[in-house]
Amino acid sequence: AQSVTQPDIHITVSEGASLELRCNYSYGATPYLFWYVQSPGQGLQLLLKYFSGDTLVQGIKGFEAEFKRSQSSFNLRKPSVHWSDAAEYFCAVGGAGNTGKLIFGQGTTLQVKP
Amino acid sequence: GAVVSQHPSWVICKSGTSVKIECRSLDFQATTMFWYRQFPKQSLMLMATSNEGSKATYEQGVEKDKFLINHASLTLSTLTVTSAHPEDSSFYICSARGQVVGNSPLHFGNGTRLTVT
Repeated sequence: AQSVTQPDIHITVSEGASLELRCNYSYGATPYLFWYVQSPGQGLQLLLKYFSGDTLVQGIKGFEAEFKRSQSSFNLRKPSVHWSDAAEYFCAVGGAGNTGKLIFGQGTTLQVKP
Repeated sequence: GAVVSQHPSWVICKSGTSVKIECRSLDFQATTMFWYRQFPKQSLMLMATSNEGSKATYEQGVEKDKFLINHASLTLSTLTVTSAHPEDSSFYICSARGQVVGNSPLHFGNGTRLTVT
């Protein structure tokens, strides 16, 4: 079955601290992986994506993610968190081709302490 | 960058009425649009896929007669919630992708908060 698991429902970090949000997926074909961020009452903004090539991908706002096929993981990282990073983060997986259908994880709520 | 506009951003309606939500791609032609539903504190669940000029494809468990989708042009898709009931209250988000060139990612609208009283 195709699925995305974000084990951490809620994470709190101090401003300036490093961050890692976990994402594990189960997908029958070559996965295309995404991280999105959602502010309250808003739509989703794409942080980064992995289709192929270098397994360490850089995104916007200083985020990066590493694709590890052997672990079926695509964890999101940021070296130093800013208060404005507080939001809901979603990992998603899709397939190749025209479908564009994404399967989303449950989301991780990030709270940033001053 | 690519922009998807969703309108209205929120709507309150009475039970039994119908509500139309619009999703527009502002600077690209969206051959495919997707409609998601998000319950509070939960993830997004795909409701249906709409392709310009053809019938929408609904996910299992989604009532096609209740959630009418029309994708009449390459820049507009609409979702109509017919005979709305309080349990239809939710956050609806559309997304769009253009003609595929190397697997373009989805671009999301800002969502519509529907409250049915």
